[in-house]
Amino acid sequence: SQQGEEDPQALSIQEGENATMNCSYKTSINNLQWYRQNSGRGLVHLILIRSNEREKHSGRLRVTLDTSKKSSSLLITASRAADTASYFCATDALESGGGADGLTFGKGTHLIIQP
Amino acid sequence: NAGVTQTPKFQVLKTGQSMTLQCAQDMNHEYMSWYRQDPGMGLRLIHYSVGAGITDQGEVPNGYNVSRSTTEDFPLRLLSAAPSQTSVYFCASSLQGSHSPLHFGNGTRLTVT
Repeated sequence: SQQGEEDPQALSIQEGENATMNCSYKTSINNLQWYRQNSGRGLVHLILIRSNEREKHSGRLRVTLDTSKKSSSLLITASRAADTASYFCATDALESGGGADGLTFGKGTHLIIQP
Repeated sequence: NAGVTQTPKFQVLKTGQSMTLQCAQDMNHEYMSWYRQDPGMGLRLIHYSVGAGITDQGEVPNGYNVSRSTTEDFPLRLLSAAPSQTSVYFCASSLQGSHSPLHFGNGTRLTVT
């Protein structure tokens, strides 16, 4: 069952602009994670934000989490052509069997950076 | 470090054939898992393991078997391939299951005709 839903499904911006992607989820979580997937490759972990955190930064990436609205956003600043990829949010449900039940992934946002 | 290694990268099977997708990790992770990725569906968990000798079912386990005889290896077996199993399969490992980041392999693209 899909827990997270990313919005928009697709986003095309000019190089240098900022890109914002949103994720909504349904049940209480331990953490929420964002991943990037380049075409034909595996997913690469970007950021993990725990349920008691509101914001986290990593380089040009900024993730926010609002547990009251069950939503998260991923901001990529000063985008580059190399940021072209699909981005997925994934949730670790509060009742995840101690982490054994795995992450639940959304369907992803496909980001295209126009040079 | 190689991380998570999956073989083969591509495979074509006929309906009814069986095969094993290999996955190995060199990070000493206790937790390993298999996901399938289908267009418009995101990733769905097939099976997972929290350590050698321990496996359990995920969201979509039917038609697949797994075993975990060592910490490093977690093969996925298709017992009798069906066209509905055409997908991209990803193996992932982590220190603490979903409580920590997953490390993914580069996937196996499987086509069942």
